[in-house]
Amino acid sequence: QQQVKQSPQSLIVQKGGISIINCAYENTAFDYFPWYQQFPGKGPALLIAIRPDVSEKKEGRFTISFNKSAKQFSLHIMDSQPGDSATYFCAARTTFITQGGSEKLVFGKGTKLTVNP
Amino acid sequence: NAGVTQTPKFRVLKTGQSMTLLCAQDMNHEYMYWYRQDPGMGLRLIHYSVGEGTTAKGEVPDGYNVSRLKKQNFLLGLESAAPSQTSVYFCASSYSSRRTDYGYTFGSGTRLTVV
Repeated sequence: QQQVKQSPQSLIVQKGGISIINCAYENTAFDYFPWYQQFPGKGPALLIAIRPDVSEKKEGRFTISFNKSAKQFSLHIMDSQPGDSATYFCAARTTFITQGGSEKLVFGKGTKLTVNP
Repeated sequence: NAGVTQTPKFRVLKTGQSMTLLCAQDMNHEYMYWYRQDPGMGLRLIHYSVGEGTTAKGEVPDGYNVSRLKKQNFLLGLESAAPSQTSVYFCASSYSSRRTDYGYTFGSGTRLTVV
């Protein structure tokens, strides 16, 4: 119930192509869905996030699509560039308050994206 | 620059040795977290804290202890290191979810090798 399943594990895309990473969840109490981008040797950094009352959010070349009924959300990277090569993590926040009141993020296992020039 | 600072960046330990990883944030965040990252396993939560003086167990707490004596610092301790604790450790901090600028800020990580 607390899991977020992410696919694919790795993705190779040509420059200019569209990268699509998918995530699925079971827990309907999740209320916030961020995506993090991690470059080698660095910590993850927040890329874009969406709340379940919105079906799509776009920031530049990055778009989150959210399907509440299917309990799925995805990251689309348009016009993919070699500089986008990184590991991407989806996450979801639980609203269930336990152990002192912490809302925690549950992360997917990550997708390593390689954009070839 | 404001953010999350982790020390040390690299460390090699012998089995059975102990060490403490330090995380410091200057954003006045209430919450702080320790994750470990292993190939194919994603980010797994070790321990977290919702405020000064409070800590709680995450997904993989065994073999680790934490303390948060000051709001800005969160320490992760390994009492008797084991090779299975070889990993990259990330600290993160956040405001509470009630804020519109909610989101995790991660440090740059500590790469720990236990031999």
